[in-house]
Order: sequence, then C-alpha cells, then structure tokens
Amino acid sequence: RKEVEQDPGPFNVPEGATVAFNCTYSNSASQSFFWYRQDCRKEPKLLMSVYSSGNEDGRFTAQLNRASQYISLLIRDSKLSDSATYLCVVSLIKAAGNKLTFGGGTRVLVKP
Amino acid sequence: DAGVTQSPTHLIKTRGQQVTLRCSPKSGHDTVSWYQQALGQGPQFIFQYYEEEERQRGNFPDRFSGHQFPNYSSELNVNALLLGDSALYLCASRAGGETQYFGPGTRLLVL
Repeated sequence: RKEVEQDPGPFNVPEGATVAFNCTYSNSASQSFFWYRQDCRKEPKLLMSVYSSGNEDGRFTAQLNRASQYISLLIRDSKLSDSATYLCVVSLIKAAGNKLTFGGGTRVLVKP
Repeated sequence: DAGVTQSPTHLIKTRGQQVTLRCSPKSGHDTVSWYQQALGQGPQFIFQYYEEEERQRGNFPDRFSGHQFPNYSSELNVNALLLGDSALYLCASRAGGETQYFGPGTRLLVL
C-alpha cells in the first residue's frame, strides 16, 4: 500500500464550478500536511499547509481528518489557471530530518 | 533573492554512465533534500543533507550518493545508470522551518 494515495483524475471542471478531492495517508504518526501544485514540466510549489482545524486561502479550502487519515482540497469558482496537478504531501518529523512523502497527484483540468 | 537553482536543466546519458547534478539552495537555507520524479508520478525522497551530512535517506540504492558543501550547495551523484533512472530530479531547500522550496529540476534521460 502506498503511503499517500490520491485519485489521479483527471477532474474535468467547468470554469466557475467547485471541485473537491481527497488523499489518504497510511502513517498515523504523520505530523504535517500540505498541498503542493505542480504545473506541467515545472517544479512543485506549496499551495497551502493543512491544519486540523481546517484552513482557507481565498478560493482554496483544505481539511484534515486525523481519525480517518485523509486530507481534502476544495477549489471554488475554478479558474482556467487552476489547471494543474495537485500533490498531497505528508511529513513525519524526525530529529534527523523531515522528508516529504508525496502522493501521485490529482490532475485538474478547468475548461471554459 | 534567488530561489533554489539547479544545473544542468537537461542531461542525456547512456546506461552504465555516471552523472552529477548540482543544487544551490535558497539564500539563508541550510538543509537540502533531493527527490526523484518519474513521469506521471509524485516525487520520491532520495536523501537530505544538513551540516554536510546525510541525515535521512529514502529507499534508493547505494548507486545514489550525495554531498553537501560548506556553502550549503549540494550534489547528487548516480553511478551505473539504468534506463529506469530517467526522471526529473528535484532539489528542495529549507531553513529551520518546515516549508521546502523546490528548484526547477534536472531532466535526466538515460538511453
């Protein structure tokens, strides 16, 4: 079983619509959670950190459910520029370091 | 303020050869991590360097080795290249906090 699992998509979303997707993680000791965005042939860029209380950044809302070990991302009022691959990332902080464990990514295509 | 930089941007090698990739961290960052991203997959952690020592390592064979220099820059070396080593190699740096910033990557093609 992969440590972080995501639906690869693609999610085809009409412009202006809302899209939501989840990821699940297997290590209950995971301590930090993130969503990264990756455009085609580019490096991943941090979209937002995810907190237990949930957090919102403009049109993006992230939620963490520790009991069920899943993380969600919701995008409201989708823009064409939101088309990208969204990577779910967890981190298990150890004294020696904090490697990031990535899911395979969820591809989102926003269409006019 | 320059972000994370990597060189070269692209590289073509043949099986059995060796390759060295380079990374300069974001200004003020002292920790460098390397990731391998195969086509259509998420990045996979290779190893992390701090204070010129390998602090953590992922599930990669000994053919993958690295180094960190006193100026915090880092190299990733891969020996005896295999076709399966073809991937985007990403370097990420951070300071004391958790947020890791990624460089643009080096695309390696092994023929």
